[in-house]
Amino acid sequence: RKEVEQDPGPFNVPEGATVAFNCTYSNSASQSFFWYRQDCRKEPKLLMSVYSSGNEDGRFTAQLNRASQYISLLIRDSKLSDSATYLCAVNIGTNAGKSTFGDGTTLTVKP
Amino acid sequence: NAGVTQTPKFQVLKTGQSMTLQCAQDMNHEYMSWYRQDPGMGLRLIHYSVGAGITDQGEVPNGYNVSRSTTEDFPLRLLSAAPSQTSVYFCASSSPRQGLAKNIQYFGAGTRLSVL
Repeated sequence: RKEVEQDPGPFNVPEGATVAFNCTYSNSASQSFFWYRQDCRKEPKLLMSVYSSGNEDGRFTAQLNRASQYISLLIRDSKLSDSATYLCAVNIGTNAGKSTFGDGTTLTVKP
Repeated sequence: NAGVTQTPKFQVLKTGQSMTLQCAQDMNHEYMSWYRQDPGMGLRLIHYSVGAGITDQGEVPNGYNVSRSTTEDFPLRLLSAAPSQTSVYFCASSSPRQGLAKNIQYFGAGTRLSVL
């Protein structure tokens, strides 16, 4: 079993739709959680850190469920520009350099 | 604001050749990492470093060496290139300190490597 698993997708949604991605992690000692966005053939860039209390940034909401060991990303009112691959990342302990990434979920938003 | 700089952007090697992928960061980050990304897959950790003079293996270290002589630089050496090492290589840096930016990975633009 992989340490971090994501819905493989692809997700194809119309503009304006709400879409949710889930990511599960296996190590209960995981401390830090992130969502990254990766555009085709580009480097990943941070979308959101995920806090225990949940956090929101505009149309994006991230939540953490430690009991069930998963994090989620909700995108409301999808835009064409949201089309990308979304990677979740988990850090165990305080070693910031050692992130474990999921394989990513590809989202395509269509007109 | 350079951030993390990787060179070269593209490279083609023949099987058995060696080369070094360069990575430099100007954010004074303690931690640096090398990942590889194969088509349709996520990032797999090759090697990482928590500071100058300290390195450790990640998930897929075989065939690669690293060293960290300065805080800024973290080169990745391919000892004898194999077709299985054809991939996109990303270098990243992060810091355990910086408030809300704590532990966030900042990536270079990547090196696309083909081994024939």
